[in-house]
Amino acid sequence: EAGVVQSPRYKIIEKKQPVAFWCNPISGHNTLYWYLQNLGQGPELLIRYENEEAVDDSQLPKDRFSAERLKGVDSTLKIQPAELGDSAVYLCASSPGEGGYNEQFFGPGTRLTVL
Amino acid sequence: GQQLNQSPQSMFIQEGEDVSMNCTSSSIFNTWLWYKQDPGEGPVLLIALYKAGELTSNGRLTAQFGITRKDSFLNISASIPSDVGIYFCAGQLKGSGNTGKLIFGQGTTLQVKP
Repeated sequence: EAGVVQSPRYKIIEKKQPVAFWCNPISGHNTLYWYLQNLGQGPELLIRYENEEAVDDSQLPKDRFSAERLKGVDSTLKIQPAELGDSAVYLCASSPGEGGYNEQFFGPGTRLTVL
Repeated sequence: GQQLNQSPQSMFIQEGEDVSMNCTSSSIFNTWLWYKQDPGEGPVLLIALYKAGELTSNGRLTAQFGITRKDSFLNISASIPSDVGIYFCAGQLKGSGNTGKLIFGQGTTLQVKP
């Protein structure tokens, strides 16, 4: 069974440019998460989806970040415009249950570098 | 907000040695999880703990859920070179008002000398 797929794996952009990340969760997983991981730190939740509904986006900086999961499967995370401090790894994870079932399966992440 | 303090921050050990790392929190968690992250990859779940006092093993790994529900430890016995990586603890709350969000520690970087 395929794991969580993320693309691109690496992205280098100049500040003020837009960028988008894509995630395809494990088939059948209703819950999808986007995490931010700064260097030397653990992941921090940005947003959680139950099917197509964003049920926790309290940590998402909504002035520049947006996310969508239109059909309850794939998801995209967008930053516009990017800032230097956005350089980090963006991880997507999925889990099979609702209500924050705790076995989350992580993708390999997208490493973003903002110059 | 909720924070997890994970220690040690890094370890450099000889192959065959045992390793111990722990995590403490100012908050009570219902679930404790231990993940391992290799370079360029996402974290992979090693052990999940669901009840206070629970002691669970997965091969050479053993983890315990502290009685106070505010701490957990992970032991690795007879370390081997492939144990190299970053180990994260994570706590999870459940119930109304919480989304089951995972709170991660800062990680313990393990290096094993052959």
